[in-house]
Amino acid sequence: GQNIDQPTEMTATEGAIVQINCTYQTSGFNGLFWYQQHAGEAPTFLSYNVLDGLEEKGRFSSFLSRSKGYSYLLLKELQMKDSASYLCAVRAFYKLSFGAGTTVTVRA
Amino acid sequence: SQTIHQWPATLVQPVGSPLSLECTVEGTSNPNLYWYRQAAGRGLQLLFYSVGIGQISSEVPQNLSASRPQDRQFILSSKKLLLSDSGFYLCAWNTERQGSYTFGSGTRLTVV
Repeated sequence: GQNIDQPTEMTATEGAIVQINCTYQTSGFNGLFWYQQHAGEAPTFLSYNVLDGLEEKGRFSSFLSRSKGYSYLLLKELQMKDSASYLCAVRAFYKLSFGAGTTVTVRA
Repeated sequence: SQTIHQWPATLVQPVGSPLSLECTVEGTSNPNLYWYRQAAGRGLQLLFYSVGIGQISSEVPQNLSASRPQDRQFILSSKKLLLSDSGFYLCAWNTERQGSYTFGSGTRLTVV
């Protein structure tokens, strides 16, 4: 199985930067995903890393180090609408397994 | 374009009653299909996945079952619901070509 760890909660100010770390242990690693989930809604895809390095997508960036079993999601220029839960997920073979999620609260 | 439909959106069922949740995908063929459950304030737990018609893999022993009668149809069932079956049920799909997993809008099930 997979052990996926991420912080439970983070708080940041509007316009700031927040970094959400995720560590994992798995066999058959085949990619790491980040999803955003607003309360009561389904998760929506943010980013995907399968090779080491940084993937940038607008205000969101994601980094992966496979040798360290480590990833982070970087949210820049935070907006109030970024308040949500951010889910780290690891794919091994056909299965996508999720961490418990990090609730990010953006304050004015 | 590909879409995923999941229904109903909300459901309140008494303990001991049966359950059937349906998920269909449009615009793609031979998708991998998944059922997840999310308990209140918790992460997503993978319940079942299927890589083809009639093929079901179960991740955790429980009171639920899944079936895939058609290529793009995935059904989650129970013969007798328990209180602990309450949660937010999400269907998802992907293919090897589209690596990311796309989720349906979810069914919020409350067992009373």
